[in-house]
Amino acid sequence: QVHLVQSGPEVKKPGASVKVSCKASGYTFTSYGINWVRQAPGQGLEWMGWINPYNGHTNYAQKFQGRVTMTTDTSTSTAYMELRSLRSDDTAVYYCARRIGEPYFDYWGQGTLVTVSS
Amino acid sequence: QSVLTQPPSVSAAPGQKVTISCSGSSANIGNNYVSWYQQLPGTAPKLLIYDNNKRPSGIPDRFSGSKSGTSATLAITGLQTGDEADYYCGTWDNSLTADVFGGGTKLTV
Repeated sequence: QVHLVQSGPEVKKPGASVKVSCKASGYTFTSYGINWVRQAPGQGLEWMGWINPYNGHTNYAQKFQGRVTMTTDTSTSTAYMELRSLRSDDTAVYYCARRIGEPYFDYWGQGTLVTVSS
Repeated sequence: QSVLTQPPSVSAAPGQKVTISCSGSSANIGNNYVSWYQQLPGTAPKLLIYDNNKRPSGIPDRFSGSKSGTSATLAITGLQTGDEADYYCGTWDNSLTADVFGGGTKLTV
């Protein structure tokens, strides 16, 4: 049974960085990509990028280029998303999701609330 | 402003049918597969439809998807109060080289 379990909520000050983790289980971690999607309060889904755990290749949304880094640790089947230079409008729930096929996202983590406030 | 355009809200009575549209362009829907996601209040999105019209295991056949040209449609028949949720379409955009979502549609039953 596939599970993606994310780290707990974070509160950060403007200008700080946050690193969210996503631990995968129930499948071969290196066989599927991991996407990161965020959702600001009351807003829609926003794709941030994805990483291929097999080779570490990343593809970031232009909006986040230079501010986001996605990595994986294949020894623990865990993906990480670090966002730097946080602003108040980065306050959102951050989701990881398994990437498959053409593509689509078939399993999602439970979400991690990141609050940016002074 | 989302790359894919969805109506902000739709509503219908229990037992009725509703459709949710998702409009894009040749850079995205016109040349790629579309997926649909259901987000119940306070929960993570859930895959409903992939590859335009396929249902994952466990998704009832009340949910169906279709695509024509640069638009896609999600249809839900036999509406239940438990279907009240936000629905999002998604696809790949060849020009942006990015995954894109619609702005979401709130379904009221």
